[in-house]
Amino acid sequence: RKEVEQDPGPFNVPEGATVAFNCTYSNSASQSFFWYRQDCRKEPKLLMSVYSSGNEDGRFTAQLNRASQYISLLIRDSKLSDSATYLCVVGAGNTGKLIFGQGTTLQVKP
Amino acid sequence: ETGVTQTPRHLVMGMTNKKSLKCEQHLGHNAMYWYKQSAKKPLELMFVYNFKEQTENNSVPSRFSPECPNSSHLFLHLHTLQPEDSALYLCASSQDGAGNTEAFFGQGTRLTVV
Repeated sequence: RKEVEQDPGPFNVPEGATVAFNCTYSNSASQSFFWYRQDCRKEPKLLMSVYSSGNEDGRFTAQLNRASQYISLLIRDSKLSDSATYLCVVGAGNTGKLIFGQGTTLQVKP
Repeated sequence: ETGVTQTPRHLVMGMTNKKSLKCEQHLGHNAMYWYKQSAKKPLELMFVYNFKEQTENNSVPSRFSPECPNSSHLFLHLHTLQPEDSALYLCASSQDGAGNTEAFFGQGTRLTVV
């Protein structure tokens, strides 16, 4: 089983749509969780951290379910500029490792 | 804009060459990382340095040799690479080396081994 698993997509959605990405992780001792965004041929950039209580940043909502070892990202009212690859990232506790999923590609169409 | 800078941005090298990748972070972080990103694969962690000490070597072949002279600088020395080593090499830094804080990435070095 992969340490961090994501549906690679691609997800093709129209502008204004709501889209949800899911991610599962295998290490139950993981302590920190993030969503990153990576544009084509660019470096990954932090989108948001994921907290146990769930958190929201504008159109983006992240949720964590520790019991199911599952993380989600919801994007509302999609914009063309949201087109990118979204990476689920899990911190493996005190090992210093940030483990990346393979990413989910989103393409927002006009 | 980025607090983590990498040079060179692009590198083409032969299998018998020796080259080095350089990374510098201006964020006052204590941990630095090398990641490899190949096409259609997740980012692979290569090395972790925490307060200049290597804390992780993720079974990386010895043809890749990291060096961390201080908390702000990280190098990756390359020698006798193979064509399959062609990839985007990303440097990152974070406040702590425990995997609890987010990492900030440099723009990467796109390496082609011919």
